[in-house]
Amino acid sequence: NAGVTQTPKFQVLKTGQSMTLQCAQDMNHEYMSWYRQDPGMGLRLIHYSVGAGITDQGEVPNGYNVSRSTTEDFPLRLLSAAPSQTSVYFCASSHGGGVSRYTFGSGTRLTVV
Amino acid sequence: GENVEQHPSTLSVQEGDSAVIKCTYSDSASNYFPWYKQELGKGPQLIIDIRSNVGEKKDQRIAVTLNKTAKHFSLHITETQPEDSAVYFCAASDLVNYGGSQGNLIFGKGTKLSVKP
Repeated sequence: NAGVTQTPKFQVLKTGQSMTLQCAQDMNHEYMSWYRQDPGMGLRLIHYSVGAGITDQGEVPNGYNVSRSTTEDFPLRLLSAAPSQTSVYFCASSHGGGVSRYTFGSGTRLTVV
Repeated sequence: GENVEQHPSTLSVQEGDSAVIKCTYSDSASNYFPWYKQELGKGPQLIIDIRSNVGEKKDQRIAVTLNKTAKHFSLHITETQPEDSAVYFCAASDLVNYGGSQGNLIFGKGTKLSVKP
């Protein structure tokens, strides 16, 4: 089925560990982004990409890295996990950035202990 | 940059009643306003969207209205059903801070809608 696939669905990390959240889309969308969702805070933009080889920071980029080597994949890396990064992470893609319809993945629930 | 405020944070209605969720935005350059529905344990899904050259849009029981002068837009759900229970997010395109001409979506904090049978 066409869409955005995120893995893993759940993850528990210890403080200081690193990990990569995977995101892949098969709709040939140029634009991809990562959001985090915290209770009462809505969805906040972490990083985004307007095409392969191009990435930029969103509202809350500290502690996260991204890369975009292909159109399909947009992984999010936590360099040294902190309890403040406990959240649900969503990847989204679209044809035309913030002026077009987003397709979201099903999310990754991350707990940092 | 763009700031989107959404009210109320929770809304409880009886089945069959109407529900209205309101959002305001700060950036007059914003030109795209979608609404997403998020069911428990799932990612947000687009339910309706409107562009700045349109004042109202309807899709069956769902409608969105936009007032560009006042910089606010609203979601209207008529004849609510238990399956409408979910968290609803409004969003506006930020064309200034993120993504150049394409922008990025900035979301409100969400409204938890409960429809009681």
